Amino acid sequence: DAKTTQPTSMDCAEGRAANLPCNHSTISGNEYVYWYRQIHSQGPQYIIHGLKNNETNEMASLIITEDRKSSTLILPHATLRDTAVYYCIVPNAGNNRKLIWGLGTSLAVNP
Amino acid sequence: GAVVSQHPSWVICKSGTSVKIECRSLDFQATTMFWYRQFPKQSLMLMATSNEGSKATYEQGVEKDKFLINHASLTLSTLTVTSAHPEDSSFYICSAGRGAPGSPLHFGNGTRLTVT
Repeated sequence: DAKTTQPTSMDCAEGRAANLPCNHSTISGNEYVYWYRQIHSQGPQYIIHGLKNNETNEMASLIITEDRKSSTLILPHATLRDTAVYYCIVPNAGNNRKLIWGLGTSLAVNP
Repeated sequence: GAVVSQHPSWVICKSGTSVKIECRSLDFQATTMFWYRQFPKQSLMLMATSNEGSKATYEQGVEKDKFLINHASLTLSTLTVTSAHPEDSSFYICSAGRGAPGSPLHFGNGTRLTVT
């Protein structure tokens, strides 16, 4: 079973920030949080990952709470091309290559 | 960023034939690659872990004789669906990552297999 819980779906207006939450209350101290997205009929695309500190790259920002039990992926200016299913994944530290995929959050960016 | 290439992007084959799917890491070496399967409206399911120079590790319920995996080099893994049947029709996806601790996996663009 996936170690994360995410809302099933979200909507966002084009040009606004999209904030996608994820709960991972059973995360261990040395386990990373990874975010991927999958656009219809394509392979998953890596977005960002983090351990303790907040992270930012050209695609998104990742905000991790101090207790690390939840995180938020922020797309600062959503576009129509950001419509996708977003997955928050916390693999086991013992095998951080084995990704268990939940159902993710289906984000619809509306014009 | 790291690039993983998968080929073909789609294939249609007749029932009983075999199909080979290739997964290449283009700008890094990968001692381990992963193969997933995804049915419509479902999430990705890990099928097996491909290990360079040794046997693949299959997840429970995945038939190793039906889904043959070969990882003969540090940049190439292949998945062969043998004696394909219509129920094998699915979206097959591979992934690989650099060896640094915590580094993310990167995914191919998937192969849509349709068995008629």
